[in-house]
Amino acid sequence: GVTQSPTHLIKTRGQQVTLRCSSQSGHNTVSWYQQALGQGPQFIFQYYREEENGRGNFPPRFSGLQFPNDSSELNVNALELDDSALYLCASSPGQGGARAFFGQGTRLTVV
Amino acid sequence: GQQLNQSPQSMFIQEGEDVSMNCTSSSIFNTWLWYKQDPGEGPVLLIALYKAGELTSNGRLTAQFGITRKDSFLNISASIPSDVGIYFCAGPPNSGNTGKLIFGQGTTLQVKP
Repeated sequence: GVTQSPTHLIKTRGQQVTLRCSSQSGHNTVSWYQQALGQGPQFIFQYYREEENGRGNFPPRFSGLQFPNDSSELNVNALELDDSALYLCASSPGQGGARAFFGQGTRLTVV
Repeated sequence: GQQLNQSPQSMFIQEGEDVSMNCTSSSIFNTWLWYKQDPGEGPVLLIALYKAGELTSNGRLTAQFGITRKDSFLNISASIPSDVGIYFCAGPPNSGNTGKLIFGQGTTLQVKP
């Protein structure tokens, strides 16, 4: 399945954070979502074969990487209090990612 | 932009009862996905629908892709306590970026034993 690390993280406003994801075997598309408390997940961006393949309405301080082994990172710079959320990674077979399988998420708290 | 509206927002039912929830959009979707999320976990894919009118089952769960392509329904029969959780509908918008999923705000289900 899809695995994410760490499971929980506390950061201070202004700091930078890196979240990691290992895709399901055979999946070469990875997407990242932000889920605020009580809401549905919001699309941040997607990577296919190490290239960004679409981006949601998030500022440039949210950036990502996908590695040749289909693992991925989400980086957030200059953390703000509103960045506190559950960050979800999802992997999909092929390009496009409509049928996405999610990891357990990383709970980020910014204080 | 495209939005998905789920109803009801929450449900509190007795074990053994059947449950129905729906998801509507002002615009057409070509794929409908239903997910369940337990507290502190990521969403788990329950059912995927790809054709208007399609009816698909997964155990006690049945989902339908609405004929207008603007809605979808999820039914759970004979509910049990482990059905508790938040149910989300989702789909890729038709803006050309098939990688993005739009999610509804969720239906929270509570089951009383």
